[in-house]
Amino acid sequence: QTVVTQEPSLTVSPGGTVTLTCASSTGAVISSHHPNWFQQKPGQAPRALIYNTSNKHSWTPARFSGSLLGGKAALTLSGVQPEDEADYHCLLYYGGPQLGVFGGGTKLTVL
Amino acid sequence: QVSLWESGPALVKPTQTLTLTCTFSGFSLTTSGMSVTWIRQSPGKALEWLARIDWDNDKYYSTSLKTRLTISRDTSKNQVVLRMTNMDSLDTATYYCTREKIGSGTQSPDYWGQGTLVTVSS
Repeated sequence: QTVVTQEPSLTVSPGGTVTLTCASSTGAVISSHHPNWFQQKPGQAPRALIYNTSNKHSWTPARFSGSLLGGKAALTLSGVQPEDEADYHCLLYYGGPQLGVFGGGTKLTVL
Repeated sequence: QVSLWESGPALVKPTQTLTLTCTFSGFSLTTSGMSVTWIRQSPGKALEWLARIDWDNDKYYSTSLKTRLTISRDTSKNQVVLRMTNMDSLDTATYYCTREKIGSGTQSPDYWGQGTLVTVSS
């Protein structure tokens, strides 16, 4: 069974930069895993931020960026705002039919 | 604009079958590259990808749940239905439907419904 792993929690200061990562139990994350990132605030549905590793949706703030870093998918927040405090989920796709597998999520605290 | 909303029972008993409906607007499920995916989230837990139905009526299921899931669509009503058999307390979760765009190397669940909480209890 494929496992996608994220940091359980991270803390960042306002105005700082933080990178969240997403690892695959099958090996290096590559572009064909189509990494997606989502932000979820308490009591709300997830909101899509990044698709296909680094592409932003029209509503994604510029301070969010996606990449591949050291064999993992990465989400970098630059100039963190208090409203960025949330859970962040990554999604990778596997196999011929491209089945999705989510990571466990990262709770980001802005402090 | 694109909208999706989930509907179904808030409470089901163990061993029963859950039927959820996703009603959407702002896109057509017969347009090439369009799909609808079901995802769930148990309280305080991670998101879990469940099933997807594509514009060409191809269907894909989570490996771990495929024996219990059936996804179908009614394109005339802009609806996608998910059925999950033999419900258990571990299936207590918020169930979301999403629009997913596929094609040209893209896979992107971009728009999400607000979710519907399903509790499994006798």
